[in-house]
Amino acid sequence: DAGVIQSPRHEVTEMGQEVTLRCKLISGHNSLFWYRQTMMRGLELLIYFNNNVPIDDSGMPEDRFSAKMPNASFSTLKIQPSEPRDSAVYFCASSLRLAGGGETQYFGPGTRLLVL
Amino acid sequence: AQSVTQPDIHITVSEGASLELRCNYSYGATPYLFWYVQSPGQGLQLLLKYFSGDTLVQGIKGFEAEFKRSQSSFNLRKPSVHWSDAAEYFCAVGVYNQGGKLIFGQGTELSVKP
Repeated sequence: DAGVIQSPRHEVTEMGQEVTLRCKLISGHNSLFWYRQTMMRGLELLIYFNNNVPIDDSGMPEDRFSAKMPNASFSTLKIQPSEPRDSAVYFCASSLRLAGGGETQYFGPGTRLLVL
Repeated sequence: AQSVTQPDIHITVSEGASLELRCNYSYGATPYLFWYVQSPGQGLQLLLKYFSGDTLVQGIKGFEAEFKRSQSSFNLRKPSVHWSDAAEYFCAVGVYNQGGKLIFGQGTELSVKP
């Protein structure tokens, strides 16, 4: 299996532009997690889905952030409009299912976002 | 509230020396505990995890971790460090009633001296 696939790997954009990050889950996995990693705040969970349904989006920083799962194997994280403080590495991770906290999450390589 | 603390931001060890990375957690019940490793520019890779049972858990790459409930700790160890172990290490707790949500510590960066 190819593992979790994220695209693009690097994104440089200007403040105010829309940014879309993409994630393909491992085949057969039902749960999807979006994380953001910064030096100041470490790894933060933004949102997670189970069977395409958002379960908890309490970590999404603002309304400028939105995430979708249009199908069982694919997700997008959109920032509109982007701001310099959104610069970070964004990871998605998938797991076989939600199972009370014990399932292993498999991480993608991340998208390094720089907003100028 | 659940939390994970990794007291050491940065550790340097000599190649061949033993390693222990500390992790303390705060959680109201028996936790699910994980150690992940992140190499520069890469995603996170699972080293090992603890659910229940034997408190000494073996992982990949020669790592092990010991769950100590009395100390709320889950320290990661390796008897002999290799230069390729230089990376950032994250401890995490899985939250039972929030369907798999992981709460991560701030990470410990490991440097290995030749």
